[in-house]
Amino acid sequence: DAMVIQNPRYQVTQFGKPVTLSCSQTLNHNVMYWYQQKSSQAPKLLFHYYDKDFNNEADTPDNFQSRRPNTSFCFLDIRSPGLGDAAMYLCATSRDTGGKLFFGSGTQLSVL
Amino acid sequence: KNEVEQSPQNLTAQEGEFITINCSYSVGISALHWLQQHPGGGIVSLFMLSSGKKKHGRLIATINIQEKHSSLHITASHPRDSAVYICAAQFMNYGGSQGNLIFGKGTKLSVKP
Repeated sequence: DAMVIQNPRYQVTQFGKPVTLSCSQTLNHNVMYWYQQKSSQAPKLLFHYYDKDFNNEADTPDNFQSRRPNTSFCFLDIRSPGLGDAAMYLCATSRDTGGKLFFGSGTQLSVL
Repeated sequence: KNEVEQSPQNLTAQEGEFITINCSYSVGISALHWLQQHPGGGIVSLFMLSSGKKKHGRLIATINIQEKHSSLHITASHPRDSAVYICAAQFMNYGGSQGNLIFGKGTKLSVKP
């Protein structure tokens, strides 16, 4: 059974139209991460939550926001998607920072 | 500077061959991850190791802390092993929570029947 679930698998949005990607976990892990992966590139960490503490990477654009209403769910909000935001977005969890990571299957975002 | 280098970038093998993918890193780490990603798919964590050797089925991961080097081996390779294999390191000197991984660029493996 999938332990880190991302919905939807594919998301199409329009240039400038806000979009939300979701991630849920059944592992009760403390840490949830959002990565952006563009074609043929390594994943890039956008931000992570340790419990309710939000940790933003220094180079993550302000256009990207996140919410974690409870332990199980974490959302990635892109306020005004640009063409350059088209990518695979990966959610991951770990029990603690420095622990083994469990990844979701990703959401492939297209921006038209 | 925290860096992770993988080789080879691309690898084609015949079914049944023994495969080795290499990963080297620049400074001390707290852990090294080997990940697998199928085309268009999410990532599966294969191993997390900080010393020695781990084995799972046909996959073996080793790490040499002194040499700052890790290898992923696949025995009796099969076409279903075709994927991108990514090495990622958690560096000791990463400021903050050690939550970030530094990823290698990946090795694209293709196993032909």
